Amino acid sequence: DVKVTQSSRYLVKRTGEKVFLECVQDMDHENMFWYRQDPGLGLRLIYFSYDVKMKEKGDIPEGYSVSREKKERFSLILESASTNQTSMYLCASSRAGTGGFFNSPLHFGNGTRLTVT
Amino acid sequence: AQSVAQPEDQVNVAEGNPLTVKCTYSVSGNPYLFWYVQYPNRGLQFLLKYITGDNLVKGSYGFEAEFNKSQTSFHLKKPSALVSDSALYFCAVRDPLTGGGNKLTFGTGTHLQVEL
Repeated sequence: DVKVTQSSRYLVKRTGEKVFLECVQDMDHENMFWYRQDPGLGLRLIYFSYDVKMKEKGDIPEGYSVSREKKERFSLILESASTNQTSMYLCASSRAGTGGFFNSPLHFGNGTRLTVT
Repeated sequence: AQSVAQPEDQVNVAEGNPLTVKCTYSVSGNPYLFWYVQYPNRGLQFLLKYITGDNLVKGSYGFEAEFNKSQTSFHLKKPSALVSDSALYFCAVRDPLTGGGNKLTFGTGTHLQVEL
């Protein structure tokens, strides 16, 4: 089974701190994604990556950056955390698939619940 | 632009009864459609997908979904609900004609509560 591991289950940070959320997958997947999940809004894509050192903006990239130095690891960075970034963050990975990125199912980690005070 | 709607925030059903969780979509071309389930304090798990072919798609845990192009719907169904099916269900869509978008758009989720 694919395993996507997010380094922290819960995080509490102060406004203005730089925050790193780490994600590792063990199935040699090409694609990796960061979503945030908020009640009533579903999942919104922050950034995704289809290869090492490659990244693409999703729907809500403002205030975030990402890093993918190795194929198995995809990091989400909050440069200066703000209270409106309090949320559940979900990492996911998938195979490249045929015909595009989203034909293959996404495999999700268990999430990191971030609270910014 | 692509979008997906889950019109019900919550669905309640008695164990043993059939269940339906509704999803409608809007895309420019032929959609790729997915259902995911989220159990408490867990990430999402893939249930099933429709890419092309037979309109009735079967997935994990006895779930199935029917693609209806004329009604732009992809409702999730199960003939006999279990208490263990209680979870948050997400529908998702991708429009392959959006070119470089490569976005998978999720609905807002439907809480399914199965009661004894």
